[in-house]
Amino acid sequence: QQQVKQSPQSLIVQKGGISIINCAYENTAFDYFPWYQQFPGKGPALLIAIRPDVSEKKEGRFTISFNKSAKQFSLHIMDSQPGDSATYFCAAGIRGGGNKLTFGTGTQLKVEL
Amino acid sequence: NAGVTQTPKFQVLKTGQSMTLQCAQDMNHEYMSWYRQDPGMGLRLIHYSVGAGITDQGEVPNGYNVSRSTTEDFPLRLLSAAPSQTSVYFCASSPQGRTEAFFGQGTRLTVV
Repeated sequence: QQQVKQSPQSLIVQKGGISIINCAYENTAFDYFPWYQQFPGKGPALLIAIRPDVSEKKEGRFTISFNKSAKQFSLHIMDSQPGDSATYFCAAGIRGGGNKLTFGTGTQLKVEL
Repeated sequence: NAGVTQTPKFQVLKTGQSMTLQCAQDMNHEYMSWYRQDPGMGLRLIHYSVGAGITDQGEVPNGYNVSRSTTEDFPLRLLSAAPSQTSVYFCASSPQGRTEAFFGQGTRLTVV
């Protein structure tokens, strides 16, 4: 049972464009929603995270939008660069619950020149 | 700080063999966990620990054992390897009370 659904599976964006990745969750007990970035041969690294008491969080070119009523959240990458080409995972967890996270299936992003 | 260190980086096993994947962290984190990553399935939690001497099962625990005798180490044991356990394995750690996970570089395991 996939508790966190992620789309699209792959995404190609032109340099300077906006990359958008969407996730939906089912378990209303989740209250921590991180996004991880993974380069080939490396472990996932935390990119940005949000709690459900805010609707948006921005860090540089990366923004999480959160819709609690729809149980959806998304990652927006503004001014996408070739160096952003990686696999992105959304996840959901319970704050203070250790690193027990439920991950989406991943989105492979390619930013073309 | 080295962070989370996993060994080995690559391993090939024959069906039925046993082995231990090592994970060590030097950040004094209380929480540690093991995930497996398979194409199209994201990362799935195998086992986790909230402190030395305390472990519990995750989403896909069958065929794996763990123990946590120290804060620093959290080894994952495959008792009798099966081709279905071919995967990339990641260890992660978190400070107590936090959910942010710090991942190691992974171990790519192939069972033939």
